Amino acid sequence: QITLKESGPTLVKPTQTLTLTCTFSGFSLSTSGVGVGWIRQPPGKALEWLALVYWDDDKRYSPSLKSRLTITKDTSKNQVVLTMTNMDPVDTATYYCAHRHGVTSLDYWGQGTLVTVSS
Amino acid sequence: DIVMTQSPDSLAVSLGERATVNCKSSQSVLYSSNNKNYLSWYQQKPGQPPKLLIYWASTRESGVPDRFSGSGSGTDFTLTISSLQAEDVAVYYCQQYYSTPLTFGGGTKVEIK
Repeated sequence: QITLKESGPTLVKPTQTLTLTCTFSGFSLSTSGVGVGWIRQPPGKALEWLALVYWDDDKRYSPSLKSRLTITKDTSKNQVVLTMTNMDPVDTATYYCAHRHGVTSLDYWGQGTLVTVSS
Repeated sequence: DIVMTQSPDSLAVSLGERATVNCKSSQSVLYSSNNKNYLSWYQQKPGQPPKLLIYWASTRESGVPDRFSGSGSGTDFTLTISSLQAEDVAVYYCQQYYSTPLTFGGGTKVEIK
């Protein structure tokens, strides 16, 4: 059974760096083809893909946010970490992590964590 | 980037009636080497994460009721709920995975009339 869970601060101040952790079970990020991605959703708005990391450490980023994002994996801990620098109130959103195997859909999602950016 | 455009933004359908959601991509998501459309549909209920309903444009995820169906190819796709049930009230998103950046449509809210 695949599960993912996001954790991190619920409130960050403008200009601060956000660090979110996705802890997963039921699969390994050392298995060929497996990836974990991050997606966010501002309140009442649509989904926006942010980043992906694959089993072979291949990393992909949203072009519009690439300069602010870093995604890393810790295979031994079954975790994927996303950092986003220079946070702004427009970055207020629910942040999700999700599983992917190969060039396919995002088939398993965490419950999400709401991050509010405010001074 | 491949832009995904959904229509309508919202629709209200009577219980038991058909609901149709449209999705158009700015370029083809059909991969010629395997003849597969790299297109998914997700259902999102309030306070919940998105749930994968359909992938490869028309393949239902395990456990998804057969009243949900996907169709289309290339740049034009449709999600159909053949007989709307109360539990189908949600926002539906299409998403392409043909290339990164992965992109989602703006969502279609389905309600009961």
